[in-house]
Order: sequence, then structure tokens, then C-alpha cells
Amino acid sequence: KNQVEQSPQSLIILEGKNCTLQCNYTVSPFSNLRWYKQDTGRGPVSLTIMTFSENTKSNGRYTATLDADTKQSSLHITASQLSDSASYICVVSAYSGGGADGLTFGKGTHLIIQP
Amino acid sequence: NAGVTQTPKFQVLKTGQSMTLQCAQDMNHEYMSWYRQDPGMGLRLIHYSVGAGITDQGEVPNGYNVSRSTTEDFPLRLLSAAPSQTSVYFCASSYSIPTSGGPGELFFGEGSRLTVL
Repeated sequence: KNQVEQSPQSLIILEGKNCTLQCNYTVSPFSNLRWYKQDTGRGPVSLTIMTFSENTKSNGRYTATLDADTKQSSLHITASQLSDSASYICVVSAYSGGGADGLTFGKGTHLIIQP
Repeated sequence: NAGVTQTPKFQVLKTGQSMTLQCAQDMNHEYMSWYRQDPGMGLRLIHYSVGAGITDQGEVPNGYNVSRSTTEDFPLRLLSAAPSQTSVYFCASSYSIPTSGGPGELFFGEGSRLTVL
């Protein structure tokens, strides 16, 4: 069964600090991996989409890495801001299987930035 | 550019009542889907559509119906609401079908928060 595991479940850091969120997956055949940010009470918004051949992708202060061999991804946030407080969801897409539409969702990491 | 629009944002129902959650997108996306989000469960797929006239079941379809008469609209119907359907519902759309391998970004609506008493 395709699965996506995220860690930690929740994280509290001080404003200005860096942090790294983890995503491990067992999804086959792998198509791409996506990171979404979901603010409280809002819908998820895409941060990055990475295909098999991409190791690193940046979006401002967000940098995602992908190791297709070990089936691991990380999302690194640099110089955190209060607006980074949100849930971060890892989603892995398969050419078939996974969810009925090929997407397997992680449960998310809840990040709190304290002033 | 409205993106994906969901209505209503909040709804309270009594057990046994029926209702429709509306979803519309203005990006001419072929793929649309409905998810529910519950605490500690992550997003779970209810139904999806790969184009007008084509719908299919997701992971948790029981108690829900969908139709896709136009590219733009994808309503979700609760036939006889139950307390277990208390949740936040998200509609999403994408240019490409996820299983096609295309890196099409999934655009989500702002959610509809449903409480069934």
C-alpha cells in the first residue's frame, strides 16, 4: 500500500530560526512529489513540485530536496517568519495506484513560529 | 482570477438532511476532485472527475454523490447527512490528471466547513 509519512507531527521554533521537515514515502511507480502549505482555515497552496530527476528546488525561503533512491524528501525553511506558521503537507503522485487519482497525502507537519 | 470557488463556507445540518456543496473553477481544468479533511487524518479523496461527464469514486465515497455536467462545475451532494460527515471539505482542480505523470499543480478552494448535528 502506498504511504507517505511526515515528521515531526508538530514543531515550534523561534522567529528567525531555520527548520527542516521530513517526508518519507513508499509510492510506486513514482511520478512527482509536492509540498503544500496550509494556513489555518484556508485551503492548501502549492510550494514546490519535484520530479524524479530533480534533487533540489527552491521557492523563496523554502527549499525542497528529493532523494529518489531512499524515497525521502525534506522541506527546509530559512529565517522563519511568523507567516510561516501553518501545516505543511507532503503529497506523492504515482502513475497508478496510490489514491484512486494517484495522489497519496501525508498527514502534515504543524509548524508554529513564536516571536 | 477567482481560481477554485467553494460555497457555502460554513453549514450546519441536522442528521438526515441533504445538501449540495458547490465548487466552480475558472481555469478550464479538466481534473477536479473533492477531499475531506479530519483532524489527524489528512486529506482523503471522496470523488474525482477527469472531464465533463466522467466521475469516479475515491477512498471514502459512501454517502456522497457527484456529477460533472460542465468543465467548470463539480458539485458534491450529501444524500442523508450523518454526524460522521462533520468535516472540512475541499474542492481542487488541476490542468493535468495526476496519474498522467504531468506535474500539474493542484489548486484548492478555501474549504467548506460542515457540521452535522
